[in-house]
Amino acid sequence: GESVGLHLPTLSVQEGDNSIINCAYSNSASDYFIWYKQESGKGPQFIIDIRSNMDKRQGQRVTVLLNKTVKHLSLQIAATQPGDSAVYFCAEKDRRGYNKLIFGAGTRLAVHP
Amino acid sequence: NAGVMQNPRHLVRRRGQEARLRCSPMKGHSHVYWYRQLPEEGLKFMVYLQKENIIDESGMPKERFSAEFPKEGPSILRIQQVVRGDSAAYFCASSRGGDNQPQHFGDGTRLSIL
Repeated sequence: GESVGLHLPTLSVQEGDNSIINCAYSNSASDYFIWYKQESGKGPQFIIDIRSNMDKRQGQRVTVLLNKTVKHLSLQIAATQPGDSAVYFCAEKDRRGYNKLIFGAGTRLAVHP
Repeated sequence: NAGVMQNPRHLVRRRGQEARLRCSPMKGHSHVYWYRQLPEEGLKFMVYLQKENIIDESGMPKERFSAEFPKEGPSILRIQQVVRGDSAAYFCASSRGGDNQPQHFGDGTRLSIL
């Protein structure tokens, strides 16, 4: 089965609140992780990535945290906006293989005004 | 400043026909990946190609599916003798060479089999 999974299939938040989307993985050989956002009818859009030698990385309004001890990855979105409504996927890459990504099932983020 | 371009966006085929899906990578990207997505599911890796070479095809079905990335022109995912179970969204991604480079996706081809 997949080695990347998500705790919550759906997350509802109020506009302006912070959102946290979680992801668990089981492969200790994974060395690279990416978060993608997918809107209806579109392809996954790259949000942020992190290498396994880091535990935190920040972008514009987004932060990714990596806890290798418990094999957990999270995406934090600050001041969530209606345009953030989408399905979010985490993906991982095994350092022993080629560049293929293993995707989780996705979390739907619904932002309410 | 075009991103990954896929065509057609929608493709309808009857059972037994052939489907050809095309992908032009982002400018400067020499690596192409194909993924398949069923509704409400994550993407599943199919194949990874560089120019004129298949690097990893561990996710490709053994029969009816093939992929190429010729020296000139787009990458092609070809499905022969399509069956209903081939209905899905097929996404192409591209990246620069080297390890741990982000993959950027196109908007996919939605394949429907009648």
